[in-house]
Amino acid sequence: RKEVEQDPGPFNVPEGATVAFNCTYSNSASQSFFWYRQDCRKEPKLLMSVYSSGNEDGRFTAQLNRASQYISLLIRDSKLSDSATYLCVVSRTGAGNMLTFGGGTRLMVKP
Amino acid sequence: DTGVSQNPRHKITKRGQNVTFRCDPISEHNRLYWYRQTLGQGPEFLTYFQNEAQLEKSRLLSDRFSAERPKGSFSTLEIQRTEQGDSAMYLCASSLINQPQHFGDGTRLSIL
Repeated sequence: RKEVEQDPGPFNVPEGATVAFNCTYSNSASQSFFWYRQDCRKEPKLLMSVYSSGNEDGRFTAQLNRASQYISLLIRDSKLSDSATYLCVVSRTGAGNMLTFGGGTRLMVKP
Repeated sequence: DTGVSQNPRHKITKRGQNVTFRCDPISEHNRLYWYRQTLGQGPEFLTYFQNEAQLEKSRLLSDRFSAERPKGSFSTLEIQRTEQGDSAMYLCASSLINQPQHFGDGTRLSIL
């Protein structure tokens, strides 16, 4: 079993739709949580950190449930430019902050 | 450009050859990480440095792989006697301690 699990998708949604991605992690020692975005054949880029209280950045909302070891990302009013792979990422401070990535969820937003 | 820089962008080589990649981190970042990503998968941790000290290595890093960061600035990753399974994108990231990691564009390795 992978340490971070994601539905690979693809999620095909029309412009303007709301879409949600979920992720589960198995290591209860995980302390930091992130969503990264990766465009085709490009490097991962930090989209947002995920905090226990939940956090929002414009059209993006991230939630963390430590008890269920579950992380979510909600994208409202999808844009064509949101088409990418979204990587769920966890890390442990005591492990040099090495990042453990999920396999990614592919999103395709269509006109 | 003050981001993480990786060279070369692409490397094509025959099986059995040695290859070396270079990473120049963001200048004030004391941590430097190497990851490997294969098609359809998320990146996987290989190793990391804090300044010039290599502090952790993944089990993925076989004896054919070696990484250095001699002066605590740039780093090199060498793969000896390359195999087909080494074909991947090799990503470098850097950060300050306990801060988010910033990734370079990666080096795409293809083994013929």
